[in-house]
Amino acid sequence: DGGITQSPKYLFRKEGQNVTLSCEQNLNHDAMYWYRQDPGQGLRLIYYSQIVNDFQKGDIAEGYSVSREKKESFPLTVTSAQKNPTAFYLCASSQGGYSNQPQHFGDGTRLSIL
Amino acid sequence: AQSVTQLDSQVPVFEEAPVELRCNYSSSVSVYLFWYVQYPNQGLQLLLKYLSGSTLVESINGFEAEFNKSQTSFHLRKPSVHISDTAEYFCAVMANSGGYQKVTFGIGTKLQVIP
Repeated sequence: DGGITQSPKYLFRKEGQNVTLSCEQNLNHDAMYWYRQDPGQGLRLIYYSQIVNDFQKGDIAEGYSVSREKKESFPLTVTSAQKNPTAFYLCASSQGGYSNQPQHFGDGTRLSIL
Repeated sequence: AQSVTQLDSQVPVFEEAPVELRCNYSSSVSVYLFWYVQYPNQGLQLLLKYLSGSTLVESINGFEAEFNKSQTSFHLRKPSVHISDTAEYFCAVMANSGGYQKVTFGIGTKLQVIP
């Protein structure tokens, strides 16, 4: 079955440490997205990528970095500059461009601070 | 610019009773509308979508939503809820802008079905 795989499901970060969240899709989608979810705040866009080797900042990119070296993969690094990283992180993908088809989501990674 | 307002953060309802989850949006361009459902510690699953055509759209598990352009609303309804419908529901609006799909989500409505 086609879908989006996020790993790990749970992740713990120590002070001053960078951590990387994995996102892989086999839907042959061009566009991929990272969202942060906090209670009562809905989903906020961190970064998005419309095509390989290109990505754009979303609304809350500070303290995060991404890469898009392969169509299937869009890893997110939470850097030590992100002072409040505790949240549920969701990766999504879509056909992108002028398509009207919705985004598909992975099952998320919950990041906590040790 | 576009925005989505979900008017209720929590909705408690008794099992087998009807429910309506409200969603209003604003946009200066034509949009596509979606409802997603999220169960605890899971991602969002698409519940239903309005792209064009009939303004009433239905899901396979009994939910329906009606697109009302004049009132800029896309409320979600179910005539009789089940315990398994307990979840958080997100309304989303999407517009194509310069070859980019811009999606905006509401803050979510938690539906609690009471036995």
